[in-house]
Amino acid sequence: GENVEQHPSTLSVQEGDSAVIKCTYSDSASNYFPWYKQELGKRPQLIIDIRSNVGEKKDQRIAVTLNKTAKHFSLHITETQPEDSAVYFCAAFLYSSASKIIFGSGTRLSIRP
Amino acid sequence: GAGVSQSPRYKVAKRGQDVALRCDPISGHVSLFWYQQALGQGPEFLTYFQNEAQLDKSGLPSDRFFAERPEGSVSTLKIQRTQQEDSAVYLCASSSVGVMNTEAFFGQGTRLTVV
Repeated sequence: GENVEQHPSTLSVQEGDSAVIKCTYSDSASNYFPWYKQELGKRPQLIIDIRSNVGEKKDQRIAVTLNKTAKHFSLHITETQPEDSAVYFCAAFLYSSASKIIFGSGTRLSIRP
Repeated sequence: GAGVSQSPRYKVAKRGQDVALRCDPISGHVSLFWYQQALGQGPEFLTYFQNEAQLDKSGLPSDRFFAERPEGSVSTLKIQRTQQEDSAVYLCASSSVGVMNTEAFFGQGTRLTVV
């Protein structure tokens, strides 16, 4: 069935280093890929998204890349800061269903001081 | 209000009790979604409304789960005869267009604990 796989499940990086989270999706018709950040006890919040007609998008320290052929997309955070510590979820909009976003299982990112 | 509002924030139910969870989406948002998030997991899709029409309920885990949005704004997720496995955070999200390929705004969730 429809599926989004996310890796790694946990990631610890030194403050100032880069963090990369990778996701793959199963439905080649997917055309919208948002990334959400969820801090403990809080709601998921959109941090960046990309549509299938572009290969890369950047917003300050955050960038997302999309490889439609391989059906994978990645989140890149550069110059990590303590406030980047959170759980990050990738997601894919499944055009075939025209109704729902499917989420990955999440990556818990910890920034070491 | 400015964002998606859910109530109650916390609910403790005895096994077998019925519960009702409320979602107030952002005013004017056409699409409304319910997700279930177990501890340490990503949100799992439950159901989707476009205005008052429930277009997809494929994620509802059993016939004990029922959702409605009678006037195309506020939505209620009802769980009958709650079981311990229903314990989770229930998230509501809304977006402004008819299909969910634009930003979805989440509520803060309702944490349901079934004892």
